[in-house]
Amino acid sequence: DTGVSQDPRHKITKRGQNVTFRCDPISEHNRLYWYRQTLGQGPEFLTYFQNEAQLEKSRLLSDRFSAERPKGSFSTLEIQRTEQGDSAMYLCASSQGRAGYTFGSGTRLTVV
Amino acid sequence: GEDVEQSLFLSVREGDSSVINCTYTDSSSTYLYWYKQEPGAGLQLLTYIFSNMDMKQDQRLTVLLNKKDKHLSLRIADTQTGDSAIYFCAEDNAGNMLTFGGGTRLMVKP
Repeated sequence: DTGVSQDPRHKITKRGQNVTFRCDPISEHNRLYWYRQTLGQGPEFLTYFQNEAQLEKSRLLSDRFSAERPKGSFSTLEIQRTEQGDSAMYLCASSQGRAGYTFGSGTRLTVV
Repeated sequence: GEDVEQSLFLSVREGDSSVINCTYTDSSSTYLYWYKQEPGAGLQLLTYIFSNMDMKQDQRLTVLLNKKDKHLSLRIADTQTGDSAIYFCAEDNAGNMLTFGGGTRLMVKP
C-alpha cells in the first residue's frame, strides 16, 4: 500500500468552472476525511465518511461542494461554480478507527 | 467552539533541542496529535498521545501532556536542518474530525 493518494496534485481553473478531485485512501481504512488548508493556516475539517456513508459535514461545505464515496473505497470532492475564495489546498485523510489519521499530499486548487 | 493555539514561530540552532507548545480546549479529546508539513507537501504524522498518558517518547521526539492545563508540547532533541518545517498539533473531537492549531514554523540554523 502506498498510502493516501490524491489526484490531481495541482489544478488551475477559471472562476465559474466546476472541478473534481479524487482521493484513494489506504485500502483497509474505513474512514475518509476531507480538509481544506489556506495559506498560513491549519487544515479545516470539511466532511467525513465511514465506509460509503457521509456522516458529518462542516458549515464550510457550502451547497457548491459535494463529496461522494460510492463504494466505500475512493472518494471525490466536486466544487461547482468555483470562486476565488475556493483557492486552497484540499487534503484527504483516512484512518481505521480514531488513531493515526494518514494524510495524502493534497490537491492545490488555484481559481483565476 | 474548540480552538487549538500554537505560537507562530520558533528558531533554534542545529543540535539544540526544540520545544513546540500547544494549548487545546476540548477536554473530551481522546487523542492529541503532532503533524509535520514541509513546503508544498501534505501532513506527515509524527506522533500521537492518548489522553490518559502524561508522556510519550519516540526516538528524538518527546510529547508531554498536561490535561489539567490542556497543554501539549513536542520536544525534538538534537534538532537538524531537516527538521525545519511547520508543526501542527491537533485534537480529535468525538472521534469524527481533527481540529488543528495554526501551526508553528520551526527554523533550524546551521
